[in-house]
Amino acid sequence: NAGVTQTPKFQVLKTGQSMTLQCAQDMNHEYMSWYRQDPGMGLRLIHYSVGAGITDQGEVPNGYNVSRSTTEDFPLRLLSAAPSQTSVYFCATTGSNTEAFFGQGTRLTVV
Amino acid sequence: LAKTTQPISMDSYEGQEVNITCSHNNIATNDYITWYQQFPSQGPRFIIQGYKTKVTNEVASLFIPADRKSSTLSLPRVSLSDTAVYYCLVGDGGSARQLTFGSGTQLTVLP
Repeated sequence: NAGVTQTPKFQVLKTGQSMTLQCAQDMNHEYMSWYRQDPGMGLRLIHYSVGAGITDQGEVPNGYNVSRSTTEDFPLRLLSAAPSQTSVYFCATTGSNTEAFFGQGTRLTVV
Repeated sequence: LAKTTQPISMDSYEGQEVNITCSHNNIATNDYITWYQQFPSQGPRFIIQGYKTKVTNEVASLFIPADRKSSTLSLPRVSLSDTAVYYCLVGDGGSARQLTFGSGTQLTVLP
C-alpha cells in the first residue's frame, strides 16, 4: 500500500518549458489536492478535485492546470514554467474528511 | 478563515515534555483545531484534532480551553526524531480538504 506517490522527486526546468507533475493514490479517496511550499513558509493550495471529472481552483492557481480522469490520478501541469514557480509541490488526498495524506513532494527549480 | 499564530521556533532536550501553543482569536463555532507535523523533505503528517477540552492519542495531547481562542499541543518525552515543523490549523468542521497552513513552529530537540 503506497499511499500517495509523486513523480518525479526532483526536476529542473528552463523558463518557458512545460511539464507535468504526477500524483497517484491507492487509497480510493475521492478528494485530491495540490499544494506548493516555498522556503520557510506553510503550504498553499493550488487546485483540488472532489472526484473524477471535477476540479476547482485553490488559493494560488495561476500558471497551473489540472485534470482528474480517474480516482487514482491527479496530474498538475505547468504550461510555461516561470522562476516564480520554483517550489516544492505536494499532492494530498483525503477520505474521512479529517486527515489529509501527503506525498513525499516534488522539488522543482525553474532557471 | 481563522488566522493562527504560533512561535516561530522552540528548542527542547530529549526526554522533556514540549508544549506548543497556538493562538486563534477569531475561531468560529464550527471550526476544529488540527495539528500537522512536517519533517524535512517530506509532506505534512496529521498528528491530532480536537474541538474542545482535551484530546489524547498515542502521539500527543491537545488542550483547548473553554473560550477556544488558543490551543496547546503537548508532546511527552520528546526524542531527537521529533525535530520537525509543527503546524496548527483551524478549519470548518475539521475538514482536511482545503487546508490553510501558517508558517508553523520549528521544534528542535537537542541531545
